[in-house]
Amino acid sequence: KNQVEQSPQSLIILEGKNCTLQCNYTVSPFSNLRWYKQDTGRGPVSLTIMTFSENTKSNGRYTATLDADTKQSSLHITASQLSDSASYICVVMRNTNAGKSTFGDGTTLTVKP
Amino acid sequence: DGGITQSPKYLFRKEGQNVTLSCEQNLNHDAMYWYRQDPGQGLRLIYYSQIVNDFQKGDIAEGYSVSREKKESFPLTVTSAQKNPTAFYLCASSPTGTTGANVLTFGAGSRLTVL
Repeated sequence: KNQVEQSPQSLIILEGKNCTLQCNYTVSPFSNLRWYKQDTGRGPVSLTIMTFSENTKSNGRYTATLDADTKQSSLHITASQLSDSASYICVVMRNTNAGKSTFGDGTTLTVKP
Repeated sequence: DGGITQSPKYLFRKEGQNVTLSCEQNLNHDAMYWYRQDPGQGLRLIYYSQIVNDFQKGDIAEGYSVSREKKESFPLTVTSAQKNPTAFYLCASSPTGTTGANVLTFGAGSRLTVL
């Protein structure tokens, strides 16, 4: 069964600290993996997208890694800010049809002052 | 600015009523999608369309209907047959045909509450 599992379910950190979110998947065949940020009551916004051959992709303070052999990805947030408080969603595509995307349940991050 | 516009942002419905959620995009994307999001759960695909006048059922299409008469528009109707319609609905679009380029662009969402 094609699944995407994210951990932890929720996380609370202090402003300025770093954190790492995990995503494990069993989706096959694999096309690409994306991380989205979703603010409360808003639509998700793309942070990074990685294909099979990419190991690391950065977007400002966000760095995503991908290990296609172990089917694991992580999203590392450096020097967290209050505005990083959101849900972070891992999405895996099986082919070029985005309708074949499998979404994780998300990790809810709360950054406290 | 290019983007996706969903309306209304909030909608209240009485049981037994059909409601239609609007989704318009000016990104010139071929594909459009409707997702449902419930608290603590991942997005689930309701319907998607890769080209005008064509659409396919997603994982949870029962109780929903769509149309794609124009490239820019993909309205979703939540019918009275949907037993638990209270949810956050997200519309998205993407280009098609190129591996890795099919990033989904999402609208701001519509929150439907059944009274």
